[in-house]
Amino acid sequence: DAGVTQSPTHLIKTRGQQVTLRCSPKSGHDTVSWYQQALGQGPQFIFQYYEEEERQRGNFPDRFSGHQFPNYSSELNVNALLLGDSALYLCASSSEDYLYEQYFGPGTRLTVT
Amino acid sequence: ILNVEQSPQSLHVQEGDSTNFTCSFPSSNFYALHWYRWETAKSPEALFVMTLNGDEKKKGRISATLNTKEGYSYLYIKGSQPEDSATYLCDNGSEKLVFGKGTKLTVNP
Repeated sequence: DAGVTQSPTHLIKTRGQQVTLRCSPKSGHDTVSWYQQALGQGPQFIFQYYEEEERQRGNFPDRFSGHQFPNYSSELNVNALLLGDSALYLCASSSEDYLYEQYFGPGTRLTVT
Repeated sequence: ILNVEQSPQSLHVQEGDSTNFTCSFPSSNFYALHWYRWETAKSPEALFVMTLNGDEKKKGRISATLNTKEGYSYLYIKGSQPEDSATYLCDNGSEKLVFGKGTKLTVNP
């Protein structure tokens, strides 16, 4: 059983560009959450997708958007990249059946120059 | 958004010491609480899921307790080893998910 997978592993973009990160959830999970982890901080919740809709959102601007597909995989899109968007982006999948315990992917390291 | 707080922020102990740290959360509308272990260069890994007041879970030398009435959970590590060095995270475990900032544990040999 594959766990949560994310792609790409690393990414370098320049300011103003757009980026798309991808996540495939653990088998049996229907909920995907995205987090941004800046240096020295715990994961900061970006948003969560369930049944192909954004169920809740953290304090992130509209430049951060997402999508969930029928197979439960998800994308995170960031437009008009800023230097401050450089971070590790973690995807986690969960299910109410498992009390929303988060299973994390390996993350995508985004560097904005 | 509910507030989840962890203390201390960081902790340095010697190999063999026992240690504990705290996760505090608003006690109203409690659903579940999760503890995670996050080693450097790896993704967070779930340790415990706790749901009932008075719950006590154990995995090897690591154990956790839960008090939902007063809104806290303790994580204990008995006889710390260098491989226990990691950041320990907790979350409020509901569909509206909030993580604490973590406790960074360093165990010196």
